[in-house]
Amino acid sequence: DTGVSQNPRHKITKRGQNVTFRCDPISEHNRLYWYRQTLGQGPEFLTYFQNEAQLEKSRLLSDRFSAERPKGSFSTLEIQRTEQGDSAMYLCASAPGTGGKHHAGELFFGEGSRLTVL
Amino acid sequence: DQQVKQNSPSLSVQEGRISILNCDYTNSMFDYFLWYKKYPAEGPTFLISISSIKDKNEDGRFTVFLNKSAKHLSLHIVPSQPGDSAVYFCAARRYGNKLVFGAGTILRVKS
Repeated sequence: DTGVSQNPRHKITKRGQNVTFRCDPISEHNRLYWYRQTLGQGPEFLTYFQNEAQLEKSRLLSDRFSAERPKGSFSTLEIQRTEQGDSAMYLCASAPGTGGKHHAGELFFGEGSRLTVL
Repeated sequence: DQQVKQNSPSLSVQEGRISILNCDYTNSMFDYFLWYKKYPAEGPTFLISISSIKDKNEDGRFTVFLNKSAKHLSLHIVPSQPGDSAVYFCAARRYGNKLVFGAGTILRVKS
């Protein structure tokens, strides 16, 4: 059983460049989440997909951020015109649909993609 | 607005003793509360949860207590082991399985 996979694990970029992160969730999970974590803080919700539909976006997700999940499988998170304040760990998590043996609210996180904007 | 707060950035306990991690919340609409554990260079992993209609849930060495009137929950680890050393995040669930996390508490268990 492979877990949630995120690539790249670490990205260093210059201010103003675009970056894209990819998340491959656990194969049978139809829900996918993106969170952002900065130093000394807990993960903050960014967006949520059920299958290919993006059902919720946080106010943290400015116009420079876009997320897709084109076929209800993997997802991408793109940040355009990066700023130094975008430096953070970007975490992807997936969860199965309701029912089953998982715990309510349980998310399965990947190891994260760390972004450093110079 | 910080809806979930963990006021202790760190906690150090001796191996074999009890670890108590605390969490406060402000939103009465949360229906589940969860604890996640995070090791360095890994993503958070689920540890234990409790429904808002319960006041205690136990799983082996881990017990979570919920005091709804005080909007407070705590995680007890007994006995603490060196392998428990990690960052512990308290989280609360709103609709859509969206979790709101606290800032985390670093637990160090000394052998």
